[in-house]
Amino acid sequence: AQSVTQPDIHITVSEGASLELRCNYSYGATPYLFWYVQSPGQGLQLLLKYFSGDTLVQGIKGFEAEFKRSQSSFNLRKPSVHWSDAAEYFCAVGSLYSSASKIIFGSGTRLSIRP
Amino acid sequence: DAGVTQSPTHLIKTRGQHVTLRCSPISGHKSVSWYQQVLGQGPQFIFQYYEKEERGRGNFPDRFSARQFPNYSSELNVNALLLGDSALYLCASSLAPELQETQYFGPGTRLLVL
Repeated sequence: AQSVTQPDIHITVSEGASLELRCNYSYGATPYLFWYVQSPGQGLQLLLKYFSGDTLVQGIKGFEAEFKRSQSSFNLRKPSVHWSDAAEYFCAVGSLYSSASKIIFGSGTRLSIRP
Repeated sequence: DAGVTQSPTHLIKTRGQHVTLRCSPISGHKSVSWYQQVLGQGPQFIFQYYEKEERGRGNFPDRFSARQFPNYSSELNVNALLLGDSALYLCASSLAPELQETQYFGPGTRLLVL
């Protein structure tokens, strides 16, 4: 069965420091991979997605992610975080289920920014 | 353009009651999906609808049902509410149901069952 693991529940980084959020997935075929961000009281916003092609994906707000098939990973990175990046981040994999397309989410990583 | 809208934003019910949550997709989007997000967890897939037909259902009991209307808006119904149904219910819309189509999420309806 498809699954997503985010091993870090909570991460704190200093403003201006670099960031890497880890994500590992389990999926038989070439996966559809996503990173979403959720701010308090907000819905989920798509940061970036990977379907095929270049394994380094650029997203919004200066985020990027790299797909590594050999490691079953899709880690999210940002070279310099801003206080406004504090939020919950979800890695997800797309899955075909019956005739539906569903997204399977990880349990999330909460990002705090130290001034 | 307006994003996905959901109503109500918050709701308090008691055990055994029934609840109806509503979702309006982005204009032009014909596919709607529903997710349940329990506190501290990632969202879990409940349903996907496309062109008023159910495309798939997640691992949820029959107390959960949904429908999609001709204008592509959708309702999620939950009968015989349990304490464990307390969660944020998210609606997502996309142009079509394929995985390549980005799903845009609404702000959610927060349901508290007492």
